Amino acid sequence: DTAVSQTPKYLVTQMGNDKSIKCEQNLGHDTMYWYKQDSKKFLKIMFSYNNKELIINETVPNRFSPKSPDKAHLNLHINSLELGDSAVYFCASSQFSGAGSTGELFFGEGSRLTVL
Amino acid sequence: RKEVEQDPGPFNVPEGATVAFNCTYSNSASQSFFWYRQDCRKEPKLLMSVYSSGNEDGRFTAQLNRASQYISLLIRDSKLSDSATYLCVEEGYNAGNMLTFGGGTRLMVKP
Repeated sequence: DTAVSQTPKYLVTQMGNDKSIKCEQNLGHDTMYWYKQDSKKFLKIMFSYNNKELIINETVPNRFSPKSPDKAHLNLHINSLELGDSAVYFCASSQFSGAGSTGELFFGEGSRLTVL
Repeated sequence: RKEVEQDPGPFNVPEGATVAFNCTYSNSASQSFFWYRQDCRKEPKLLMSVYSSGNEDGRFTAQLNRASQYISLLIRDSKLSDSATYLCVEEGYNAGNMLTFGGGTRLMVKP
């Protein structure tokens, strides 16, 4: 039973299209994240939600819009896809956000996006 | 300047060798540090936390040097299964306790 699951695992699409990636966690965590890992393997945070509320929004183009319908789900919608959006997108969750964080993130398996 | 810097490697070592990686961080106020492991085309997973007093877990030892702002990971008696990328992570005490990942150090253990 996968703790953090994201779909789709692979996504190949044309420039200019709009696509969504879905994420669900069954760990009962309050905080969820989206990270982007580019071809150089750098893992950069994009967004963080705590109990459905946005708490971190790094410098990300506004073509990227996260949505959290409840604390177990955090979806990522991307408009007008560009070549530079090609990367692996990881969803993650953690139990705490704030003082006392364990620092353990539980990641999904990643969604590999290729923009042609 | 990158906030968390690592030598990307690869470090090629024979089985049984001892290997060490360092990672430097720029935020002197950071309190918590971690090592994550990422296998090829897989997601990162927590390997161990790094405490001020050092932390040992079997063949793995993590150390923190606040004066020089670096953390280290020592792997003794390397196994083939240790081949992976090791990510150094800093936790900042700002909104959301954001984790900042280094670019990773790739380790390849050869028979």
